[in-house]
Amino acid sequence: AQKVTQAQTEISVVEKEDVTLDCVYETRDTTYYLFWYKQPPSGELVFLIRRNSFDEQNEISGRYSWNFQKSTSSFNFTITASQVVDSAVYFCALSESTTSGTYKYIFGTGTRLKVLA
Amino acid sequence: DAGITQSPRHKVTETGTPVTLRCHQTENHRYMYWYRQDPGHGLRLIHYSYGVKDTDKGEVSDGYSVSRSKTEDFLLTLESATSSQTSVYFCAISESSGPRNVEQYFGPGTRLTVT
Repeated sequence: AQKVTQAQTEISVVEKEDVTLDCVYETRDTTYYLFWYKQPPSGELVFLIRRNSFDEQNEISGRYSWNFQKSTSSFNFTITASQVVDSAVYFCALSESTTSGTYKYIFGTGTRLKVLA
Repeated sequence: DAGITQSPRHKVTETGTPVTLRCHQTENHRYMYWYRQDPGHGLRLIHYSYGVKDTDKGEVSDGYSVSRSKTEDFLLTLESATSSQTSVYFCAISESSGPRNVEQYFGPGTRLTVT
């Protein structure tokens, strides 16, 4: 069965440190999608990035970067020069194909990041 | 921001009563989903819809039913609420089944307490 593992339950860093959030997945699909979401203390879920399984190019967006490695089934998220506003719970998610031709999504249990001033 | 609203935003109800949560979207997206979020479990899929009147079960569907009579609305019903259904419920929408625009956008959530 599809599975997403975020082994880091909680991480604390001091502001300006770099931090990497790990995500390991299991899937039987040949085409799949991976996602990262941010949930700040206010509670909303914010979409950050999508990665297609057939595109292994890594991506950088400002202080955020993502490292997709198909060989190790990982999709890790790095925040460079962390800021207090980065404090949130971060979720990794994986698509799972269905018999109806659409996708449903499996979420990891999340990593709580605390950035201390 | 995607136009997704959930109602009510907060609800307290008693064990055994029926409860209906509503998700409304203005994006005309085909796919809609209901999740519950509990500490230590992340987000778990309850039911999803891939079109009007087309729905299917997720991993935690027991005790829940859904209906989708029009594109913009997806209703989640707890037929007889139990304390184990105390949770935060999120609705999500997505536009496509791939390869682009498959990401989900979430509503603000509904906090449900069953006493």
